[in-house]
Amino acid sequence: DTEVTQTPKHLVMGMTNKKSLKCEQHMGHRAMYWYKQKAKKPPELMFVYSYEKLSINESVPSRFSPECPNSSLLNLHLHALQPEDSALYLCASSPQGGHLYNSPLHFGNGTRLTVT
Amino acid sequence: TQLLEQSPQFLSIQEGENLTVYCNSSSVFSSLQWYRQEPGEGPVLLVTVVTGGEVKKLKRLTFQFGDARKDSSLHITAAQPGDTGLYLCAGAASGAGGTSYGKLTFGQGTILTVHP
Repeated sequence: DTEVTQTPKHLVMGMTNKKSLKCEQHMGHRAMYWYKQKAKKPPELMFVYSYEKLSINESVPSRFSPECPNSSLLNLHLHALQPEDSALYLCASSPQGGHLYNSPLHFGNGTRLTVT
Repeated sequence: TQLLEQSPQFLSIQEGENLTVYCNSSSVFSSLQWYRQEPGEGPVLLVTVVTGGEVKKLKRLTFQFGDARKDSSLHITAAQPGDTGLYLCAGAASGAGGTSYGKLTFGQGTILTVHP
């Protein structure tokens, strides 16, 4: 079992919907990440939170809005998505914050998102 | 931007065969991580190599980090169907004094299929 829990596992949404992805970890990790992964491709970094503050935004469109309510939780709010946004969205955490965004990652099992 | 070239992209072999996956770059990395991702799950960290020339063994898996810390390889002996998955290498950039900084750079991945 993964120690990073993501919900829901699957999500189908229309282009006018608003939905949220949730991620939770209780390992005391101080950095949390959102990645997007297309089939048979490597994960692409979207956002990094360090000590609950947004540290990296990889020029992600504003229809994706991250939120870190506390050190254990990470949300990704979705609004007005496009079909090409369909992908596996992975949450990850790592022990250290600060500038060390390259520590080994603990991934969740992802949310499979389909935009219709 | 640091690039990691991973090869081969696809590998289809019979149970019991040996295989090697390569990860190469023109840049120096302070460390390199290997992940395996099975269908429907997130990537799982297999190993981190840190020292140039380092060799680590994990049962039938042998990982090497090049002397110059620019390349790495994963060798699997007597592959089994349970080894099937997407294998990803990920490098941490090397800064002044060999310290690491910045984000992980992922290779393009190797999709391994082991047939019974």
